[in-house]
Amino acid sequence: EDKVVQSPLSLVVHEGDTVTLNCSYEVTNFRSLLWYKQEKKAPTFLFMLTSSGIEKKSGRLSSILDKKELFSILNITATQTGDSAVYLCAVVRSGTYKYIFGTGTRLKVLA
Amino acid sequence: DAGVTQSPTHLIKTRGQQVTLRCSPKSGHDTVSWYQQALGQGPQFIFQYYEEEERQRGNFPDRFSGHQFPNYSSELNVNALLLGDSALYLCASSATRQETQYFGPGTRLLVL
Repeated sequence: EDKVVQSPLSLVVHEGDTVTLNCSYEVTNFRSLLWYKQEKKAPTFLFMLTSSGIEKKSGRLSSILDKKELFSILNITATQTGDSAVYLCAVVRSGTYKYIFGTGTRLKVLA
Repeated sequence: DAGVTQSPTHLIKTRGQQVTLRCSPKSGHDTVSWYQQALGQGPQFIFQYYEEEERQRGNFPDRFSGHQFPNYSSELNVNALLLGDSALYLCASSATRQETQYFGPGTRLLVL
């Protein structure tokens, strides 16, 4: 059965800290992995990683994909209170259209 | 450019009732997916609609059904509501040959 596991489940840090969020997966015929940020309701898209794009960066956020070890990490440097959210990881199998989500990591950044 | 919109934002129903949730995709998108997100969990895939047909379905009972209209908007219908159907229902849209799905704000359904 396809499985996506995120860790830690929750995390509390102070502004300025650097955090690393983990996503491991067991999915047959992996095609892509996506990261979303969910603050209130709507998950907002952060990154998509595939075989042809295993590292992405946008401002203070960056992500890498290790297809051999079947995991991805999301790094956030110089955290701000606005980074407080649930971070969701989703994996897509080849030949399908559904996203398989992990349970998310709840990040709280204290001022 | 409007993003994905959903209505209503909140809904309260009682067990056994039926509910219809609506979704308008982002401009230029023709594919709509529906997800159920229980409290503290990640979203679970219900189904995806493309060209007015259900293209793929997740592990949800037949009580969950949907429809896509010619303008690409979509409805999710749930019959014979159970307490366990209480959740945030998310709609996501995407464009043909583009994998990234963009989510709406969701409809929070409470079944009493």
